[in-house]
Amino acid sequence: EDQVTQSPEALRLQEGESSSLNCSYTVSGLRGLFWYRQDPGKGPEFLFTLYSAGEEKEKERLKATLTKKESFLHITAPKPEDSATYLCAVQANRGFKTIFGAGTRLFVKA
Amino acid sequence: DTGVSQNPRHKITKRGQNVTFRCDPISEHNRLYWYRQTLGQGPEFLTYFQNEAQLEKSRLLSDRFSAERPKGSFSTLEIQRTEQGDSAMYLCASSPTVNEKLFFGSGTQLSVL
Repeated sequence: EDQVTQSPEALRLQEGESSSLNCSYTVSGLRGLFWYRQDPGKGPEFLFTLYSAGEEKEKERLKATLTKKESFLHITAPKPEDSATYLCAVQANRGFKTIFGAGTRLFVKA
Repeated sequence: DTGVSQNPRHKITKRGQNVTFRCDPISEHNRLYWYRQTLGQGPEFLTYFQNEAQLEKSRLLSDRFSAERPKGSFSTLEIQRTEQGDSAMYLCASSPTVNEKLFFGSGTQLSVL
């Protein structure tokens, strides 16, 4: 069964302290891997799509990478406004649904 | 482009009552999804529409849940005989193609007392 596991569940950083979030996935034929950001009381907001192993995408302080089994979201010199829940999700080649992990709650303290 | 709109934002109901939520997707998106999210969890897939056709439905979805998308525009999600376990955020999303990112609404927070 297709599955997404994220770690850690929560991460507390000081402003400027770089770190990485992990997403392990099992899927029968990967169509795409997605990263979303979710703020409290709101729907998820798209960040990145990765399609094949070795691919990397960057946006401001965030960089997403993909291997055949994992994806990482690297956060460089985070700021308090980066505090949110980061969700990893996959789409398989068959079917239409996007499967989400439970997310990593990131807290960045000034 | 005003984004995905969901109504109401909050709904409080008593156990056993029926509730209906509405989703208006981005106008040019023919794909529409319903998800459910509880505290500390990621969104859980409920059902998928391509235009007006419901093409996929979670096998975990109780028969108390029904969704429609008449004329391929807005969609409604109805829950009959609500239970306390139905309390969750119900999220709607749309996309222009099947392997594209999802655009989410702000959700409807349901509380069943």
